[in-house]
Amino acid sequence: QVQLVESGGGVAQPGRSLRLSCAASGFNFSNYGMHWVRQAPGKGLEWVAVISYDGSNKYYADSVKGRFTISRDTSKNTLYLQMNSLRAEDTAVYYCAKDRLGITYYFDYWGQGTLVTVSS
Amino acid sequence: EIVLTQSPATLSLSPGERATLSCRASQSVSSSLAWYQQKPGQAPRLLIYDASNRATGIPARFSGSGSGTDFTLTISSLEPEDFAVYYCQQRSNWPRTFGQGTKVEIK
Repeated sequence: QVQLVESGGGVAQPGRSLRLSCAASGFNFSNYGMHWVRQAPGKGLEWVAVISYDGSNKYYADSVKGRFTISRDTSKNTLYLQMNSLRAEDTAVYYCAKDRLGITYYFDYWGQGTLVTVSS
Repeated sequence: EIVLTQSPATLSLSPGERATLSCRASQSVSSSLAWYQQKPGQAPRLLIYDASNRATGIPARFSGSGSGTDFTLTISSLEPEDFAVYYCQQRSNWPRTFGQGTKVEIK
């Protein structure tokens, strides 16, 4: 069955960096677009970034553009999110999510999430 | 940015009752709308995509309808496991956005 397992969350000071990972299994990772979606504590959902099945296309929410970088390693079936210049408003649970098909922006499987707290 | 407004914010119902949740878009999203269910401490689960298509493994008591700016998620007869928060999401325009959620709670 499809499994997505995030790691790498934690506490970071404003302006510092973190890298999140998402290990995928149970499906052909190289065939699907992959996303990061976040949820601030007690708040709703915010789409963050997407990467195409082959890594050739990447798109970002304006709130993270220029600071975050999405990437993937097909040999390791792993998705990444490099987060630089972190801000307090980046505090959230970060979910990796599989696209339903190529890049449809429908998220049919989600990981359990990893909490990122940005605080001094 | 397309704003999705969900109503009501909270729906208090008993098991076995019918739940009707609304999602209104600030401009047309055609049929490019999904519904997700989220339980406390869990990740969201895709229920409906393209306004009316049930995702894999979703029970038939969940149905979606609508197009343009007005959408509805209907749960025909609430089961105990259906009490959760429900979000709509559009993929028609940038940025992709979610509604603020409707909480379905036990009355």
